[in-house]
Amino acid sequence: GAGVSQSPSNKVTEKGKDVELRCDPISGHTALYWYRQSLGQGLEFLIYFQGNSAPDKSGLPSDRFSAERTGGSVSTLTIQRTQQEDSAVYLCASSPGLHYEQYFGPGTRLTVT
Amino acid sequence: SQKIEQNSEALNIQEGKTATLTCNYTNYSPAYLQWYRQDPGRGPVFLLLIRENEKEKRKERLKVTFDTTLKQSLFHITASQPADSATYLCASYTDKLIFGTGTRLQVFP
Repeated sequence: GAGVSQSPSNKVTEKGKDVELRCDPISGHTALYWYRQSLGQGLEFLIYFQGNSAPDKSGLPSDRFSAERTGGSVSTLTIQRTQQEDSAVYLCASSPGLHYEQYFGPGTRLTVT
Repeated sequence: SQKIEQNSEALNIQEGKTATLTCNYTNYSPAYLQWYRQDPGRGPVFLLLIRENEKEKRKERLKVTFDTTLKQSLFHITASQPADSATYLCASYTDKLIFGTGTRLQVFP
């Protein structure tokens, strides 16, 4: 079946612009996660959604970052007024529930110039 | 603060040998640990989950152990193959999943 998909695969933007990254989770998965991975680094948790519960936003690095999940499916991560330090690969994952294995998408490579 | 650590140095081994990767955690007691494989340019792929009341879990050539006294998990790949070359990430769960930085494994023919 279809896995987690993310778009775009690559995004180059100028400093100060806003960007939107999209994640399509596996159908039926109630949990959705966003991570950030800088070159040679581990995965940095950003935010997760579980069903209809309020999202856990504790990993968002600043108020420039926000995310929403519409209809319990597709999610969009928005970064406003991008900075060079925002350059990284942004990974989305979904899982059947909170305590299950996570299925990752291929990531969006964001480059802020 | 809660920390999970993996050896940042690459592990280089010869084909056919057993690779052993280490994951240590401090200042908390995770309910479970997960191990993932990540290839360059790709998202991580789930391999195994081990809970705090399990000492060992196996899947084909993979084995994971969980020692709550040492606060450590070991990940073993037996009869390693060049195709096993990748970065292996451990992740622990408290109120969310926290990932280590990963250990790069290189298996030489």
